[in-house]
Amino acid sequence: QKEVEQDPGPLSVPEGAIVSLNCTYSNSAFQYFMWYRQYSRKGPELLMYTYSSGNKEDGRFTAQVDKSSKYISLFIRDSQPSDSATYLCAIYNFNKFYFGSGTKLNVKP
Amino acid sequence: ETGVTQSPTHLIKTRGQQVTLRCSSQSGHNTVSWYQQALGQGPQFIFQYYREEENGRGNFPPRFSGLQFPNYSSELNVNALELDDSALYLCASSLDQGGDSPLHFGNGTRLTVT
Repeated sequence: QKEVEQDPGPLSVPEGAIVSLNCTYSNSAFQYFMWYRQYSRKGPELLMYTYSSGNKEDGRFTAQVDKSSKYISLFIRDSQPSDSATYLCAIYNFNKFYFGSGTKLNVKP
Repeated sequence: ETGVTQSPTHLIKTRGQQVTLRCSSQSGHNTVSWYQQALGQGPQFIFQYYREEENGRGNFPPRFSGLQFPNYSSELNVNALELDDSALYLCASSLDQGGDSPLHFGNGTRLTVT
């Protein structure tokens, strides 16, 4: 079983929509959760970092961790064409970061 | 503040050759890790260096090796290149080892093995 699994999409939404991106993870002991955004031909860029459970908000982005379900989510409000990218979830365990396969998001003007 | 920089940006090698990729970590970061990202996949952990010592390794064969220098810059060496080694190689640095120090990535080196 993989440490973290992510729906690859692609996901296509109209501008202004609320986007929900999700990952599941395998071990309830994981404590550190991250979301990265990766534009084409670029390295991943850290978007959100969460320790343990609960919600964290930063502008239009909200990261949510549900430890009982082993589920992490990223919500994007008022999505913009500039949000079109691949979104990667990541977890940390014992000196290693594990990444999901990424969800490709396209926000149509 | 200078971010993570990698060189070269692109590289084409022949099967069986050896390659060295270079990375300068973000200022103040003492931990460097390397990832392989195949097309359409998430980054796969190769190894991590903390203060010049390897302290974590993913499921990659010994022909993948690395170094970290006293200024915390790093190299990734791959010997006996195989076609499947074609990928984007990402370097990431972090303030310290541990989950409370998120990774900051460079833009990668695109390696093509023919």
